Amino acid sequence: DTAVSQTPKYLVTQMGNDKSIKCEQNLGHDTMYWYKQDSKKFLKIMFSYNNKELIINETVPNRFSPKSPDKAHLNLHINSLELGDSAVYFCASSQAGVAGPSYEQYFGPGTRLTVT
Amino acid sequence: GQQVMQIPQYQHVQEGEDFTTYCNSSTTLSNIQWYKQRPGGHPVFLIQLVKSGEVKKQKRLTFQFGEAKKNSSLHITATQTTDVGTYFCAGPGGGATNKLIFGTGTLLAVQP
Repeated sequence: DTAVSQTPKYLVTQMGNDKSIKCEQNLGHDTMYWYKQDSKKFLKIMFSYNNKELIINETVPNRFSPKSPDKAHLNLHINSLELGDSAVYFCASSQAGVAGPSYEQYFGPGTRLTVT
Repeated sequence: GQQVMQIPQYQHVQEGEDFTTYCNSSTTLSNIQWYKQRPGGHPVFLIQLVKSGEVKKQKRLTFQFGEAKKNSSLHITATQTTDVGTYFCAGPGGGATNKLIFGTGTLLAVQP
């Protein structure tokens, strides 16, 4: 059983289009994340939800809108795609993120987005 | 803002040689995690260090947390081709969340 799954695995689209990426985890975790990994492999947090509540919202263009229908799912919708949005987007999950020791994060397989 | 840097950015070794990557944070960390990402894969958690000066071993991998809790290292003894990948350290981003700030990563290439 896949712990954290993402769809689609690959996404090729043109500038200006709108696209969505879906993520699901079956680990029973309360917290989910979206990361962006650029061509230089830098891994940067974008958003995080804890039990459907947005708790981390980094400096990300408003064109990116996350949504968590329940604590097992976290989707990412991107409007008006730009060339610079091309990257690999990873979903991750962990136990509840509260002050104290950090919990390990489990990553999905990633979605490679190419904007042409 | 908080930064976590790793050196080297890239290292190419012959199979059997040792390898070390160093992680340095601009702020004191309450703990540090290490992840490995195989080529084309996703980051996979390796270990977490919490105590100042802590050393943990996993087979050929040795992880160390600095005394000042601002740096860490990962040492691999006698590398194998299966060690190929990018190694990331990650520290807490502060606040009441599980936010992680990932290091810049070190890509390890192992030549058989």
